[in-house]
Amino acid sequence: DAGVTQSPTHLIKTRGQQVTLRCSPISGHKSVSWYQQVLGQGPQFIFQYYEKEERGRGNFPDRFSARQFPNYSSELNVNALLLGDSALYLCASSSGDQAFFGQGTRLTVV
Amino acid sequence: RKEVEQDPGPFNVPEGATVAFNCTYSNSASQSFFWYRQDCRKEPKLLMSVYSSGNEDGRFTAQLNRASQYISLLIRDSKLSDSATYLCVVNELEYGNKLVFGAGTILRVKS
Repeated sequence: DAGVTQSPTHLIKTRGQQVTLRCSPISGHKSVSWYQQVLGQGPQFIFQYYEKEERGRGNFPDRFSARQFPNYSSELNVNALLLGDSALYLCASSSGDQAFFGQGTRLTVV
Repeated sequence: RKEVEQDPGPFNVPEGATVAFNCTYSNSASQSFFWYRQDCRKEPKLLMSVYSSGNEDGRFTAQLNRASQYISLLIRDSKLSDSATYLCVVNELEYGNKLVFGAGTILRVKS
């Protein structure tokens, strides 16, 4: 069985640009969450979606947005990139209260 | 105060040693608890869930004390392959399925 897949794996963007990250959950999982992990810290919750509806939002600015599609895949969009947005972006697929992570997208903003 | 606090370590132990990690959480309404393992530059991987009754998975034992809001992980007979960062994680289900992570404890097992 395929696990959680994310694309791209690495990305370099310039300040002010916009980026879209993609995630496909484990087959049968209807919940997708997004996390940001900067070096030396644990992942920080950004969004959770379940059945295409936003179920939770972390303490991130409005530059961050997300959506979930009918096939339960998800996109995370970040506008007006700042240097501080450089991080590993993780997608988690959930069934019940257990979450399984994709390999992440490493975003570098220069 | 951080929502989930862990000693960052590093814990440097010889092979075969027993090592214990502790974690405290601030939200008494938290519903479920986990330990994740994260290797350098990789994604977190679920190690085990943590229950009030305590639970064991091979060399790993986890314990939850809801009254003290305290979670522990014990690793027996450490292997070189146990070297990683161990993340204490709390699920605040009142917000949906929101995982709150500690910053992690670094374990280095040496031969």
